[in-house]
Amino acid sequence: SAVISQKPSRDICQRGTSLTIQCQVDSQVTMMFWYRQQPGQSLTLIATANQGSEATYESGFVIDKFPISRPNLTFSTLTVSNMSPEDSSIYLCSVDLAGVGGSYEQYFGPGTRLTVT
Amino acid sequence: SQELEQSPQSLIVQEGKNLTINCTSSKTLYGLYWYKQKYGEGLIFLMMLQKGGEEKSHEKITAKLDEKKQQSSLHITASQPSHAGIYLCGAPFYNQGGKLIFGQGTELSVKP
Repeated sequence: SAVISQKPSRDICQRGTSLTIQCQVDSQVTMMFWYRQQPGQSLTLIATANQGSEATYESGFVIDKFPISRPNLTFSTLTVSNMSPEDSSIYLCSVDLAGVGGSYEQYFGPGTRLTVT
Repeated sequence: SQELEQSPQSLIVQEGKNLTINCTSSKTLYGLYWYKQKYGEGLIFLMMLQKGGEEKSHEKITAKLDEKKQQSSLHITASQPSHAGIYLCGAPFYNQGGKLIFGQGTELSVKP
């Protein structure tokens, strides 16, 4: 398994500002993922972040709004830019780890609970 | 596009009772993950199923993937208040891990 930490755990921000969320893993991983969970909803993938290349964004998410950094194999940041109340969500990072028999197990961080006022 | 349907959406059971949550896909799955989420928190990995007919257990929780790899069930035996939370199933897009799509979740409440 992997131990994943996120900072901050929660924040309340004013609209128009930006927040950078950090994700730290206790082992080196190739793929890191950023998900969003809006209130009462399930998880939606924002982007995949691989070290040494630009993040790959899912439909509906753009780099200008959610810039991502991946400076090394244990760390990534997600910035939520020019925030509006609609950005109020839990943001989660996750990593893939090779499991038994060629499988992959995906582990999640504790999440960052963002409220935009 | 691939979608996962979970049922029921919510469930209230008396402590000590057994329960089952289902996760169904219209397409054959490469694998199926089960997670538990406490309100407003991150996801706790429960187990991952990959082979048709595979069954795994973690404490009092058992999950099975059907032979066709299109449906999974999560069964909790003798439920306890500590089992309360939201259970999510997730499936990888690709055969080699990667991004997951998720069901809408099942909210479980256990009454003492």
